[in-house]
Amino acid sequence: QVQLVQSGAEVKKPGSSVKVSCKASGGTFSSYTISWVRQAPGQGLEWMGRIIPMDDITNYAQKFQGRVTITADKSTTTAYMELSSLTSEDTAVYYCATIKTIFYRTGDRLGEFLDIWGQGTMVTVSS
Amino acid sequence: DIQMTQSPSSLSASVGDRVTITCRAGQSISNSLNWYQQTPGKAPKLLIFAASSLQSGVPSRFSGSGSGTDFTLTISGLQPEDFATYYCQQSYSFMYSFGQGTKLEIK
Repeated sequence: QVQLVQSGAEVKKPGSSVKVSCKASGGTFSSYTISWVRQAPGQGLEWMGRIIPMDDITNYAQKFQGRVTITADKSTTTAYMELSSLTSEDTAVYYCATIKTIFYRTGDRLGEFLDIWGQGTMVTVSS
Repeated sequence: DIQMTQSPSSLSASVGDRVTITCRAGQSISNSLNWYQQTPGKAPKLLIFAASSLQSGVPSRFSGSGSGTDFTLTISGLQPEDFATYYCQQSYSFMYSFGQGTKLEIK
């Protein structure tokens, strides 16, 4: 069973960048898609983007385009999310999660969802 | 991005009640709709995928229905551990999006 372990809490100054790591163990890293989701204090879930480590293909939510970079290191089975130009609005818990796809016997896609989650990393942006 | 709208944003109910949460997509998403449960300080947990498929290990009192743009999550016979926040999420587009959440509180 896959486990995701994220890096520890961070405190950053406005205008700086933060890089959060997500180490996967117990599975085949290259076969996963890793997604990043954040949650501001008392707020809902917000999807940020994803990476397919096998191909290094990334997709980002429009809101974060140009400010977020998601990477993956297959040698260490670790995914990273770097967010730049931080403001207080970026104070949040950041989660990584694997994406699982379920198929019918015909090969058609039945469903796709966020399956295994990391424990979350609190990022606080404060002067 | 596909907009997802949940209602209500909060709900009070008693143990044993049956409750329904609604999620509406801004465009048709077929059955590409998932439901998650989140308790304070914890990561979300998948309940239902593909609109109506129960995730392994999730109690059968949870059920989902709908297709196209309108979906529901029903909890039949609320248990104390069900008081949490629930989110819908679309996977029709690879640019995922979540509903704003429904907080289920004890009456």
